Formats: sequence, structure tokens, C-alpha cells
Amino acid sequence: SQQGEEDPQALSIQEGENATMNCSYKTSINNLQWYRQNSGRGLVHLILIRSNEREKHSGRLRVTLDTSKKSSSLLITASRAADTASYFCATRKETSGSRLTFGEGTQLTVNP
Amino acid sequence: DTGVSQDPRHKITKRGQNVTFRCDPISEHNRLYWYRQTLGQGPEFLTYFQNEAQLEKSRLLSDRFSAERPKGSFSTLEIQRTEQGDSAMYLCASSFSFGLGLETQYFGPGTRLLVL
Repeated sequence: SQQGEEDPQALSIQEGENATMNCSYKTSINNLQWYRQNSGRGLVHLILIRSNEREKHSGRLRVTLDTSKKSSSLLITASRAADTASYFCATRKETSGSRLTFGEGTQLTVNP
Repeated sequence: DTGVSQDPRHKITKRGQNVTFRCDPISEHNRLYWYRQTLGQGPEFLTYFQNEAQLEKSRLLSDRFSAERPKGSFSTLEIQRTEQGDSAMYLCASSFSFGLGLETQYFGPGTRLLVL
């Protein structure tokens, strides 16, 4: 079963607006990662945040992590039509070895 | 192209047939992973290798599934006696582990399997 749960399941915005996606998880983690997947294709790694970090930036991406609430958020600023994709959070547990556990994803549509 | 490659990209088979997928990881990556993704869901972990050793298998990997990485380079995933429930996208990923748990997994384009 999936550990992560993304919210919302689908998000539709206009180009130039910001998009915020949330992820919740259930167990203690080593790190949390966000991936993007264009329709029917492989996943592209976006950003990794360690369990002892609270916020991280990469270009137009901002990720926050609240381990006390077991939640994370991904903010995409100044969205573009090319940002249209599914976004997944994935957690690596403290004790699970190497596997990533993915959420069900948020489908983001950016309208031009 | 030095990314993760998978072959074939698409496979249609009849129920009961065996299928084999291949994954070529990024050169010198010591870890290789297999995931399965069904429509509208996130990927689910199946198994992973460190070099040629298979270190972890999910409960999803039934007896009909077998994976190998014979020389610590490419890997194959075989499904025997396919069932309609096996229809999914099979994703391969690779990484280089420094032992700290912080490595990035790089994914291939996937093999989409349809069992009729």
C-alpha cells in the first residue's frame, strides 16, 4: 500500500500562477523526494529534502518538510504550461533499505 | 544517451504467456530498482539489486516474477504465466549509493505491459 498521500488529487491553474501540492506520510523517514511524470513516461527527480531539513529551494521549486506533522509541500512558482504533469512525493524510510514509497500523485494542469 | 534505458517500451501478450523485460542502468550505478505502476497510481516497489545481489523483494513480487542482474550491469524482469492483473507500467531505476541513503534514483521510460 502507498504510504504517501498527495493533496489535491488534481489541480488546474493559469500560467503564471503558483501551484501548491501537499504530501502526507505515516512513518519516520530518512528523506522525502518529489518527482514529476509527464503522461505515460518515466519519472524525473525534482528535489530531495532530508529529514533534518525544513525547507529547500531549487529554481522555481520550494519544498517544505514538517516531520512533526509528517507532511511536505511542493510549491511551483510562476507556473508554465510545460509544468503540466503528475507530481509524486516519495519517502525513504529510516529503516527500509533503499526502496522509495510513492504517493498517488497530484495531476497538475497549467492552462496557457 | 546515458540515461536508464528499458526494452521493450510496449508489450502486448496473451494471458498465460511469459514475458521478459530488460533494463540498462546508468553506467557505474551500483543499485538497480524495479517498480510497477498502474494507471492513476504512484509507482510501487518490487525489488532492488546492489551490484549483482538482490537485496530486497516486495510482497508484490509473487512466485511468477523473477528478476536478475547477472553481472551487476543490466537487469531482466520475467513474468511467468501472465495474468490480466499484471497489466501495468514496469519502471526501472538506478542510483549510485554512497551508503548515506541520500542518493537519487534515475528512472527509465518504462515498459508498458498489456495482458489480454
